[in-house]
Amino acid sequence: SYELTQPPSVSVSPGQTARIPCSGDALPRQYSYWYQQKAGQAPVVVITKDVERPSGIPERFSGSSSGTTVTLTISGVQAEDEADYYCQSADDSGTYWVFGGGTKLTVL
Amino acid sequence: QVQLQESGPRLVKPSESLSLTCTVSGGSVNSGGLYWSWIRQPAGKRPEWIGYVYYTGHTNYSPSLKSRLTMSLDTSKNLFSLSLTSVTAADTAVYFCARLKSGGFDFWGHGIPVTVAS
Repeated sequence: SYELTQPPSVSVSPGQTARIPCSGDALPRQYSYWYQQKAGQAPVVVITKDVERPSGIPERFSGSSSGTTVTLTISGVQAEDEADYYCQSADDSGTYWVFGGGTKLTVL
Repeated sequence: QVQLQESGPRLVKPSESLSLTCTVSGGSVNSGGLYWSWIRQPAGKRPEWIGYVYYTGHTNYSPSLKSRLTMSLDTSKNLFSLSLTSVTAADTAVYFCARLKSGGFDFWGHGIPVTVAS
């Protein structure tokens, strides 16, 4: 079955830039999405279609894509950004949807 | 603003069926281009897409759950439902309903924790 791979954790100090990569073989052909999930809450989408930021999401969140890796970048990290982040995409056929293993962002 | 709300039993006995309903407000389930989905997340693990139902009644299920799954839509009540048969402890998770649009899940319910135990 298709899988998306993320690092389990990323740590940054406030004001620094956090980069969270996600790799998957079908990513050159399928859009990626990024979700922020805080404890006890539902995920919230922060990036759609690789690079688009939904209304209401702060400008410090951005997405990029290069080959089989997509990256969520959070510039000027704030304490409130501490959360789990998941990438999500579809398999090569566009039939099934999968989530990455998640990355815990710690703000030091 | 679209809102989704899950409802159903929070405790299910092993080998029995799990049935959940998602009530949608602020939007219609009878709309093209939107796929009404279920996602579950065991404690400490990644979300797992379960499947979706389209307004036409067309369904698409995760291969790993397909043999035990049924999803349906009720346009008169603006809700959609999930039934998972022969549950085991491995089905214990928080179950979310969500709207799938253009490949991503843009609106989610708050989630309902379901425990499979005797």
